[in-house]
Amino acid sequence: GAVVSQHPSRVICKSGTSVKIECRSLDFQATTMFWYRQFPKQSLMLMATSNEGSKATYEQGVEKDKFLINHASLTLSTLTVTSAHPEDSSFYICSAFSSGGPRGQFFGPGTRLTVL
Amino acid sequence: SQKIEQNSEALNIQEGKTATLTCNYTNYSPAYLQWYRQDPGRGPVFLLLIRENEKEKRKERLKVTFDTTLKQSLFHITASQPADSATYLCALVPQEGKLIFGQGTELSVKP
Repeated sequence: GAVVSQHPSRVICKSGTSVKIECRSLDFQATTMFWYRQFPKQSLMLMATSNEGSKATYEQGVEKDKFLINHASLTLSTLTVTSAHPEDSSFYICSAFSSGGPRGQFFGPGTRLTVL
Repeated sequence: SQKIEQNSEALNIQEGKTATLTCNYTNYSPAYLQWYRQDPGRGPVFLLLIRENEKEKRKERLKVTFDTTLKQSLFHITASQPADSATYLCALVPQEGKLIFGQGTELSVKP
């Protein structure tokens, strides 16, 4: 139990385009999901907390107009990187909190974004 | 300032030995702490959760200790195997659901 999926696993786009990443909890409902970014050899940095039915809470320094988050249902959150630039290239990982059994925060497999 | 620190240098051990990884934190009062495994190009995989009122937790060959006085958690892998080679991340939970990660320690188990 507690499986989280992400789609796509890898995306390459041109500078200036927008990219949408989906995060789904497959076998549990998650009122809260989280979006992280990880650069090579570095730790996961929390970008924002996604709450079902309400606005996301962004960490300091993360532009909410650039990283649009929509948590439309209890099993789906999306992150849209708008007008992507090469410096946005990174590994984006979502997670979902399961309050049932098993309890804990479970991560998706990640999405590798490369902006040319 | 608030910090979470793990051994920054890679840990190299021989197969069969016990690997011990350290996670120290300052200026946090975590409700609980989690350990994750991360393989290259993959998301973290949940291993163990230990609460502030628990001293030790075990799961198969894994053991985690949590000392809130020392502000330290130790993660042990006994009878290590080459398949245990990965980066191991500790993460604090200062408030419900919001994980704060350490930078991770890379473990390499040689046959």
